Amino acid sequence: DAGVIQSPRHEVTEMGQEVTLRCKPISGHDYLFWYRQTMMRGLELLIYFNNNVPIDDSGMPEDRFSAKMPNASFSTLKIQPSEPRDSAVYFCASSFGTSGSNYNEQFFGPGTRLTVL
Amino acid sequence: GNSVTQMEGPVTLSEEAFLTINCTYTATGYPSLFWYVQYPGEGLQLLLKATKADDKGSNKGFEATYRKETTSFHLEKGSVQVSDSAVYFCALSDSGAGSYQLTFGKGTKLSVIP
Repeated sequence: DAGVIQSPRHEVTEMGQEVTLRCKPISGHDYLFWYRQTMMRGLELLIYFNNNVPIDDSGMPEDRFSAKMPNASFSTLKIQPSEPRDSAVYFCASSFGTSGSNYNEQFFGPGTRLTVL
Repeated sequence: GNSVTQMEGPVTLSEEAFLTINCTYTATGYPSLFWYVQYPGEGLQLLLKATKADDKGSNKGFEATYRKETTSFHLEKGSVQVSDSAVYFCALSDSGAGSYQLTFGKGTKLSVIP
């Protein structure tokens, strides 16, 4: 199994530009999570999907952030326009949620390091 | 709501020293508990887990016991190695409350020196 795949691994862009981060979850997983990690704020959950449907986007910082999951094997996180304070490592994770189960291990991708100049 | 509190870092130990990283939690239901580890430049990976009270999770010499009476899940290792240097995150999943999210602690950075 290839695990969760994220691209690009590194992104450097200028303020005001659009940034698109990509994620391919583990095949068969029905939950997908987007996180942001910074030194100041630690690990923050931005949004998560179940069966391609957004369930909770309360962690999305502003309207500049949007996420989509057009099918079970692909998700994007878009920032438009980007700002220097968006610089962070963005992680995608997936899991298999079993109804009634109390155990939902999340598998993380390697992350995308975003730098906005 | 759910929350996880873990000891502040960084923690610096000499090789072969004993490690304890404290973690306590607050949850509305009956959570599963996890320790994740993040090595430099990598994503988080599951280190160990426990799904019910008194369960002991263990992996790679690390152990943690789910203590419901003290709402704790402390991570321990008897003899650390330089290769254990990483950031450790305690987390809970409270799917009994209808959520499949993980609630993470802030992470504890461990540095092991030869």
